[in-house]
Amino acid sequence: SQTIHQWPATLVQPVGSPLSLECTVEGTSNPNLYWYRQAAGRGLQLLFYSVGIGQISSEVPQNLSASRPQDRQFILSSKKLLLSDSGFYLCAWRHIRHTEAFFGQGTRLTVV
Amino acid sequence: SQQGEEDPQALSIQEGENATMNCSYKTSINNLQWYRQNSGRGLVHLILIRSNEREKHSGRLRVTLDTSKKSSSLLITASRAADTASYFCATDADAGNMLTFGGGTRLMVKP
Repeated sequence: SQTIHQWPATLVQPVGSPLSLECTVEGTSNPNLYWYRQAAGRGLQLLFYSVGIGQISSEVPQNLSASRPQDRQFILSSKKLLLSDSGFYLCAWRHIRHTEAFFGQGTRLTVV
Repeated sequence: SQQGEEDPQALSIQEGENATMNCSYKTSINNLQWYRQNSGRGLVHLILIRSNEREKHSGRLRVTLDTSKKSSSLLITASRAADTASYFCATDADAGNMLTFGGGTRLMVKP
């Protein structure tokens, strides 16, 4: 069976520090991968998605970036965090487009 | 950008009552999906309805889709306290790989 791992669960980082959130999927190959951000009590904002290794589509221009160095690994990064980067970050995968998505448990990031 | 918008934003009902949530969207879709999120957790897929379908059932869930009005509804029948969560619709466009979520409905079911 397929599983998705996302870590860490919580993170407190100072303004201006770098960020690296990792997401890995097991039990499948060539998944579509997604990074979302959720502000408190709000909906999900699509940040990045990837349909293959090295292929990244960005939906929101900001100081975040994403990379897919391996088939089942998706990394969200920032060189310098801003206060506005605080939020709940969710990684998701699905087999192909037009199917259901499976979510990780999320990372709550607080920038102080 | 958010494609789907849920209505109401919050809903409070008694156990045993039915809960209806609505979703409106703007562009052409391949399918529309509903997800559930318990507080502070990841989302869990509930049901997917394709653009050529009008109604779908899964247990106590009933979803309708009206592509002419670009709207969908999720009905939870005989609600339980355990149904307390946030519910999101997500639109899956015909073109591309984006899955775009709305703002969600926070449902509270009182025992």
